Amino acid sequence: AQTVTQSQPEMSVQEAETVTLSCTYDTSESNYYLFWYKQPPSRQMILVIRQEAYKQQNATENRFSVNFQKAAKSFSLKISDSQLGDTAMYFCAFMNYASGTYKYIFGTGTRLKVLA
Amino acid sequence: DSGVTQTPKHLITATGQRVTLRCSPRSGDLSVYWYQQSLDQGLQFLIQYYNGEERAKGNILERFSAQQFPDLHSELNLSSLELGDSALYFCASSKGFGYTFGSGTRLTVV
Repeated sequence: AQTVTQSQPEMSVQEAETVTLSCTYDTSESNYYLFWYKQPPSRQMILVIRQEAYKQQNATENRFSVNFQKAAKSFSLKISDSQLGDTAMYFCAFMNYASGTYKYIFGTGTRLKVLA
Repeated sequence: DSGVTQTPKHLITATGQRVTLRCSPRSGDLSVYWYQQSLDQGLQFLIQYYNGEERAKGNILERFSAQQFPDLHSELNLSSLELGDSALYFCASSKGFGYTFGSGTRLTVV
């Protein structure tokens, strides 16, 4: 069975600095997708970035980028130039297609606080 | 606005009662997923529907049930409510891969 592990329950970073959130996963599948979701204090779940496993190039979205290491089954999120609005819970998620449906597994989350 | 609509936003009810949470998926999305998030916890998958049919089941209690209607909206029914059922209930929809989440329904059982 697939698992997703986020080993950092809480992190903090100074405004304008860079922070990296870790995520590892376990799967025997070769085709899958990985996501980072952000959940600010409003509790809304917001898609930050996604990566297709068959793509070697790391995904980037403005200040957000990932370091996808398929062999190591690692999918870390780097936030550059951190802003106060980045304060949120961040969830890593794994998705694959099996038994006729897409199956998602979420990690337990990392609480990020950006300090002024 | 994500396009996924959940109602009501807040619900306060007493133990033993029954409530219904509603979700309207994003236009064109056939899949609806329900998740439970207890305070400061991760998301627990409850159940998925695809075009009206149950497709996958997670850690959903027998007191909970769901359905998806022909217009693709979905309802999650929670009965014999207990204090521990207090949580944020999310609905998400997708056409393929990648969820779009609703803003959630916060259920408080007193």
